[in-house]
Amino acid sequence: DAGVTQSPTHLIKTRGQQVTLRCSPKSGHDTVSWYQQALGQGPQFIFQYYEEEERQRGNFPDRFSGHQFPNYSSELNVNALLLGDSALYLCASSWDRVLNSPLHFGNGTRLTVT
Amino acid sequence: AQTVTQSQPEMSVQEAETVTLSCTYDTSESNYYLFWYKQPPSRQMILVIRQEAYKQQNATENRFSVNFQKAAKSFSLKISDSQLGDTAMYFCALGLSNFGNEKLTFGTGTRLTIIP
Repeated sequence: DAGVTQSPTHLIKTRGQQVTLRCSPKSGHDTVSWYQQALGQGPQFIFQYYEEEERQRGNFPDRFSGHQFPNYSSELNVNALLLGDSALYLCASSWDRVLNSPLHFGNGTRLTVT
Repeated sequence: AQTVTQSQPEMSVQEAETVTLSCTYDTSESNYYLFWYKQPPSRQMILVIRQEAYKQQNATENRFSVNFQKAAKSFSLKISDSQLGDTAMYFCALGLSNFGNEKLTFGTGTRLTIIP
């Protein structure tokens, strides 16, 4: 049973560029959430997708956008990258039909903006 | 808004000893869940234990147990018979029940080192 998989594992980008991160949820899960974890901090909620729509959003600018595909996989896009966007980006999946379904996290994508 | 505070940035303990990690939180909601997650160097966040706020009984999972003090808004994690594999960052997190656990608020973490 495959868990949450994220790609790539590491990424280096230049300020002003755009980046796309990918996530495949755990088998059977239909909800995907994205978190940003800056160095030395706890993860911060970016947004959550269910049924191919953004259902909740944290306090992040519109430069952060996402998408969910019919197979429940998801992408996180960040435009006009800033140095402060350097962080570990975590994807988590859960099952909407189970109230308070535990989150399963992937290993994250380490993004470095230079 | 929800806040989670972990006041111990780092802790260390000898193997086989017991260690307690502290966490306080604040929320105006009445229905919520509390979690402890472990993040080893592999970076994956692993659920250690969770507590429903409406339950008075403290949750336990093998060597891991919590002390949930709802009135004090305190949620500490006790690790008994600590093992080298327990070395990791530990995060306390709060989730609201109305939308499930998609939006968790995390603390800043405690780096726990188990000394052989």
